Amino acid sequence: SAVISQKPSRDICQRGTSLTIQCQVDSQVTMMFWYRQQPGQSLTLIATANQGSEATYESGFVIDKFPISRPNLTFSTLTVSNMSPEDSSIYLCSVETSGRLYEQYFGPGTRLTVT
Amino acid sequence: GENVEQHPSTLSVQEGDSAVIKCTYSDSASNYFPWYKQELGKGPQLIIDIRSNVGEKKDQRIAVTLNKTAKHFSLHITETQPEDSAVYFCAARGLTGGGNKLTFGTGTQLKVEL
Repeated sequence: SAVISQKPSRDICQRGTSLTIQCQVDSQVTMMFWYRQQPGQSLTLIATANQGSEATYESGFVIDKFPISRPNLTFSTLTVSNMSPEDSSIYLCSVETSGRLYEQYFGPGTRLTVT
Repeated sequence: GENVEQHPSTLSVQEGDSAVIKCTYSDSASNYFPWYKQELGKGPQLIIDIRSNVGEKKDQRIAVTLNKTAKHFSLHITETQPEDSAVYFCAARGLTGGGNKLTFGTGTQLKVEL
């Protein structure tokens, strides 16, 4: 498994501003993912972040709105830009470890409220 | 791409009873099926998974079954306890249509009553 931490754990932001969420893993991982979970809903993949390459975004998500950095094998950031109330969600970092194939672990999430 | 349906959306059982949650998937090439438990205010926790070359897997009170022909898989929890109360998500890892990623079901809110 992997121990994943996220910062901040929660935040309240004003519309039009941006927030950067940090994800730190206790071991080197190749695959890191960012998900969004709207209140009471399932998990939706925003993008896959691999070290040394551009993030791959899912349909409906664009780099200008959700820029991602992956400077090394243990760290990634997701920025939510020009926020609106519709961006209020839980943002989850996830990693696929090099142990058992395909196993994916999640961080505790960042609870974002946009007013 | 992959589509995963999950039923029921809510499930209430008495402590000690069994609980069963069912999921169906659309991509016949999917090869990995994890289950996650999400408690209030926390991230999803991987509790069990099954791969396409296996029909059943058990870990203490939790078991998962997979029927590849019918494209459905189920989570079975026996001797339920109050601490089993949470939202459970199934997922499938598809391989076609931009796959190699997990697609999640819509979740089941399990409540274990005393």
